[in-house]
Amino acid sequence: EVQLVESGGGLVKPGSSLKLSCVASGFTFSSYGMHWIRQAPKKGLEWIALIYYDSSNKYYADSVKGRFTISRDNSKNTLYLEMNSLRSEDTAMYYCAKLSPTSGYFDYWGQGVMVTVSS
Amino acid sequence: DIQMTQSPPSLSASLGDKVTITCQASQNINKYIAWYQQKPGKAPRLLIRYTSTLESGTPSRFSGSGSGRDYSFSISNVESEDIASYYCLQYDNLPYTFGAGTKLELK
Repeated sequence: EVQLVESGGGLVKPGSSLKLSCVASGFTFSSYGMHWIRQAPKKGLEWIALIYYDSSNKYYADSVKGRFTISRDNSKNTLYLEMNSLRSEDTAMYYCAKLSPTSGYFDYWGQGVMVTVSS
Repeated sequence: DIQMTQSPPSLSASLGDKVTITCQASQNINKYIAWYQQKPGKAPRLLIRYTSTLESGTPSRFSGSGSGRDYSFSISNVESEDIASYYCLQYDNLPYTFGAGTKLELK
């Protein structure tokens, strides 16, 4: 059974940093690209980052480019999202999601971790 | 970026009704659209990929169709467990973009 478990969220002040983790199990993590997607409270879904299975390519939404960094450690089955210069508009539930084997959509999601940016 | 215009924002249905949600892309997305269901406090769940392919475990009362810029998602014979929000996702081009969502409620 595919499982994705995020951690590392919390309440932080504007301008600060935070690093999220997503531990994967139930599939060969090193063979699949991974995404981060977020959802602001009572709002819709926003894709924010993609990393290829071998970290050879990384892509970001304009809203986080230059502030967030996606990375992975295949030896630990873990995906990361390092978030710097956090703003109030980054307040959201952050989900990691697995890239499907056939195309770009996400076939499994974690349960999410909440990040609140507030003074 | 490709914009996904999803409508309606909310939908009220009775049990057994058929409901339809539409998504229009700002450009041709070559059928690369997926549909997700999200219940309160839960992560989204993939229902349909590549316009009309039901994901394993998706009940047959769910369906999808479309091409080019225009796509639709339907639930025939709405059941109480279908009460949720639904989102379309285009994955033809990065950045992937979602529709704004449709909240399905019971009448």
